[in-house]
Amino acid sequence: KAGVTQTPRYLIKTRGQQVTLSCSPISGHRSVSWYQQTPGQGLQFLFEYFSETQRNKGNFPGRFSGRQFSNSRSEMNVSTLELGDSALYLCASSGGGRPDTQYFGPGTRLTVL
Amino acid sequence: QQQVKQSPQSLIVQKGGISIINCAYENTAFDYFPWYQQFPGKGPALLIAIRPDVSEKKEGRFTISFNKSAKQFSLHIMDSQPGDSATYFCAALLGSNYQLIWGAGTKLIIKP
Repeated sequence: KAGVTQTPRYLIKTRGQQVTLSCSPISGHRSVSWYQQTPGQGLQFLFEYFSETQRNKGNFPGRFSGRQFSNSRSEMNVSTLELGDSALYLCASSGGGRPDTQYFGPGTRLTVL
Repeated sequence: QQQVKQSPQSLIVQKGGISIINCAYENTAFDYFPWYQQFPGKGPALLIAIRPDVSEKKEGRFTISFNKSAKQFSLHIMDSQPGDSATYFCAALLGSNYQLIWGAGTKLIIKP
């Protein structure tokens, strides 16, 4: 089975712009979680989707949003980018109803200038 | 109450030694405790996991010890090798709200 794929791998944007990141989960997986990873901050949970429904959301401002499509692919969007949004954004998929064993993609490295 | 506290933040161990990373939690509703390993430039990957009805789980050189009464769990890496150098994250699953709560990570360096 192919692993979790994320596109693009690298992205450079300027403050005020918006960005959309894409995640394709492992085939058959219905749960997709998104994380922001910055040095010293560990993994910060953004949101989790299961069968197109957002089941949980972390403590991020409304500029961060996501969605999941019927084929389980997911996108996250960040509007009005700020310098502090520079981070590695990781997507993880899980096969069952509970997001216990998560399979991570390689991440998208976002740099905001 | 939703936090998982991980220590130490960084750890240097000689090759062949035992690496020990500790995590503590407060919420007794957590019901699944995985450890993830992350190499630079890669996403985290599941290393080993345990459920609270088990006190210890071993897979090769990696062992999780779980102390339910103390609300602590730890990862032991026996015979540590330079290839084990990575960042390790503990986590705890709150199944009722479908969220993994993550520790802050431990950067492990194994010196040859």
